[in-house]
Amino acid sequence: GAVVSQHPSRVICKSGTSVKIECRSLDFQATTMFWYRQFPKQSLMLMATSNEGSKATYEQGVEKDKFLINHASLTLSTLTVTSAHPEDSSFYICSATRWGKDEKLFFGSGTQLSVL
Amino acid sequence: AQKITQTQPGMFVQEKEAVTLDCTYDTSDPSYGLFWYKQPSSGEMIFLIYQGSYDQQNATEGRYSLNFQKARKSANLVISASQLGDSAMYFCAMRENDMRFGAGTRLTVKP
Repeated sequence: GAVVSQHPSRVICKSGTSVKIECRSLDFQATTMFWYRQFPKQSLMLMATSNEGSKATYEQGVEKDKFLINHASLTLSTLTVTSAHPEDSSFYICSATRWGKDEKLFFGSGTQLSVL
Repeated sequence: AQKITQTQPGMFVQEKEAVTLDCTYDTSDPSYGLFWYKQPSSGEMIFLIYQGSYDQQNATEGRYSLNFQKARKSANLVISASQLGDSAMYFCAMRENDMRFGAGTRLTVKP
């Protein structure tokens, strides 16, 4: 089956630093990638939808200047948490689709971000 | 407005019995897809089953089946012959132009 690789799996950083999370579709071209945020014991909340070569579409309440998303190619999307603060600590998970070919959505393994 | 509703925060089932996890949705788009995912404590999202809005038959995948009632806008997941390893969070999701998830149900299988 298709694989989505997400790195890093865990990151601990100091407040004020920026953290980049990568999401790669390893064996297919992803037409669309989604970024989600999940707090403990809660659901996945959609942060943004990313299409290759175009600007990401952010959900209401998600600061685009704080959560920078780049989808430079059909196999790579990155989420950069800029000037991270403790309230940004969360589980971030990406997913990639090849909608247009099939209905499947493939998830990365997630990144646990802890900001001290 | 919440588009995917899972009303059961937690469910318990005895090992080897069947369990139904509820999911209702709201959309005006005639074309949509419904998914169920399992999330164990490791955090990974495991695809279980998919139902397209135009599919005439209910989807089945091994021990998983989806009870799709289009007029009622419900897409309940049925797990037959529960196993201890089925204990996890279960999320219902709907695809329109994007993909959104319900609040989830924590299933605990008792030995």
